[in-house]
Amino acid sequence: DVKVTQSSRYLVKRTGEKVFLECVQDMDHENMFWYRQDPGLGLRLIYFSYDVKMKEKGDIPEGYSVSREKKERFSLILESASTNQTSMYLCASLGTANSPLHFGNGTRLTVT
Amino acid sequence: EDKVVQSPLSLVVHEGDTVTLNCSYEVTNFRSLLWYKQEKKAPTFLFMLTSSGIEKKSGRLSSILDKKELFSILNITATQTGDSAVYLCAVGRVQGAQKLVFGQGTRLTINP
Repeated sequence: DVKVTQSSRYLVKRTGEKVFLECVQDMDHENMFWYRQDPGLGLRLIYFSYDVKMKEKGDIPEGYSVSREKKERFSLILESASTNQTSMYLCASLGTANSPLHFGNGTRLTVT
Repeated sequence: EDKVVQSPLSLVVHEGDTVTLNCSYEVTNFRSLLWYKQEKKAPTFLFMLTSSGIEKKSGRLSSILDKKELFSILNITATQTGDSAVYLCAVGRVQGAQKLVFGQGTRLTINP
């Protein structure tokens, strides 16, 4: 079974802090994704990566950056956290285009 | 702009009822439609549909796709309290197949 692990379940940070959200998958998947999930808006794609050191912007990349130095690990970085980045963040990985996304358990981030 | 719309957004029924959740889409270069169930944490995969009119079934859950009318339904028969969850619909495209477009989700509550 694919396992996608997000390092924190809950995080509370202050406005202006730099925040790192970490995600690790154990299935040697090429593709990894970061989504945020907000009530009434569903899941929105922030960034995805299709290979090591390769990344592509999703629908809402502003205020975020990512890092993929190793195939199994994909990090989401909030350079200067703001209150409108309070959300549930979901990481996912994908083997092939014909297979479903596998999600981590999510990180609920609160920025005060 | 690609769009996936789910209805209803929220549904409350009694245990034993049958429910139908809807997902309509306007997506260029459609490839597949996926259903996920999300309880308190990671969305878990239910179905992937690529062909029109072919029902996919898993226990009390079933789903079908209509590529002419651009929608899918997810049916749950003899509902149980464990079916309470948010149900997510997502559509994949031929180009950029990795980047799914998600609907807002339907929050289903089953009362005993």
